[in-house]
Amino acid sequence: QVTLKESGPVLVKPTETLTLTCTVSGFSLRNTEMGVSWIRQPPGKALEWLAHIFPNDAESYSTSLKSRLTISKDTSKSQVVLTMTDLDPVDTATYYCARASESCAGDCYASWGQGTLVTVSS
Amino acid sequence: DIQMTQSPSALSASVGDRVTITCRASQRISYWLAWYQQKPGRVPRLLIYKASSLESGVPSRFSGSGSGTEFTLTISSLQPDDFATYYCQQYNSDPYTFGQGTKLDIK
Repeated sequence: QVTLKESGPVLVKPTETLTLTCTVSGFSLRNTEMGVSWIRQPPGKALEWLAHIFPNDAESYSTSLKSRLTISKDTSKSQVVLTMTDLDPVDTATYYCARASESCAGDCYASWGQGTLVTVSS
Repeated sequence: DIQMTQSPSALSASVGDRVTITCRASQRISYWLAWYQQKPGRVPRLLIYKASSLESGVPSRFSGSGSGTEFTLTISSLQPDDFATYYCQQYNSDPYTFGQGTKLDIK
């Protein structure tokens, strides 16, 4: 059974850097054909795709946030990490990690973490 | 980036109605489109992938169609459990993108 769980700070101050961790189980990040993405959702608003790490460790980023984001993975810990710099209150959102699904034959998501709400406020 | 535009943004319907939601891509994405359902406070649920393939466990009243730039999600006979927000997502090319959502509520 594939599971993902996000962890990280609940409250971050403006201009600070956010580090979120997605811990996965039920599959190996080392031997997988499916990548992992980060997606966020501000309260009451739409889903916003942020970043993806491919099985070959290639990375992809939202164009509008590319300069502030870094995605990486630690296969020994079964974790995918997202860092976002220079936070602003508009970055307040629930942040999800999600695994690409084999059935999609590409990067759509059948498996999601439960999400973690991050509030940016002084 | 490929922009995804859903219409309508909101929709009111009754139990038993047939409902169609449209998603348009700003450039051709073949059939690399997924649909998700999200209820308040819940994680998105994959309904349809590759534009028209039904995810395992999803009721057959949900169907998807389209290719290229125009896609539709149809619910053939609305059930009380279907009132939610629906999102499309293109995964033809990264960066991947979601539509802005369509909120379906009870008339």
